[in-house]
Amino acid sequence: QKEVEQDPGPLSVPEGAIVSLNCTYSNSAFQYFMWYRQYSRKGPELLMYTYSSGNKEDGRFTAQVDKSSKYISLFIRDSQPSDSATYLCAMSTNNAGNMLTFGGGTRLMVKP
Amino acid sequence: EPEVTQTPSHQVTQMGQEVILRCVPISNHLYFYWYRQILGQKVEFLVSFYNNEISEKSEIFDDQFSVERPDGSNFTLKIRSTKLEDSAMYFCASSERGRVNEQFFGPGTRLTVL
Repeated sequence: QKEVEQDPGPLSVPEGAIVSLNCTYSNSAFQYFMWYRQYSRKGPELLMYTYSSGNKEDGRFTAQVDKSSKYISLFIRDSQPSDSATYLCAMSTNNAGNMLTFGGGTRLMVKP
Repeated sequence: EPEVTQTPSHQVTQMGQEVILRCVPISNHLYFYWYRQILGQKVEFLVSFYNNEISEKSEIFDDQFSVERPDGSNFTLKIRSTKLEDSAMYFCASSERGRVNEQFFGPGTRLTVL
């Protein structure tokens, strides 16, 4: 079983839709959960950071963590064409090196 | 807004040659990282660096790789003898004390080994 899994997509939605992106993981030691946005051939851009279980909201973005199910989600409200990108989840344990383990990414396309 | 910068944006080299990839982390950050992404694959951790020493390294980071902070602003990744399979995007990242898992990435250097 892969450590962090994401559906690669592409996920195509109309402008204004609510988008749900998800990751599952197998390592119960993960405590820190991040979402990054990556445009083609660019560096990952940090969107959301969550520690342990719960919800976090920032503007149009909401991150949810369910550690009991080993499942995290990112919701995007009122999606825009500029949200079209690949969304990467990343996770970390409380390790000395702060290594992030990434999912493979979900490609999102928001159509005008 | 402060950001991580990387140079060059694209490096082409012959197999067996040495390359040095350069990064300038965000100025008040103390933790530095290198990751790589082979085309179409996941972002993979290579190494983390704090207080002038390696904190953790992955299996990928073998004896051909080294990192250095030669001065107060730069952070470098050296590959001594490049292989074809080293072709990838290399990302530098940094984070600050107390928020070490919030890692900010640079735009990457595309390394092409011929």
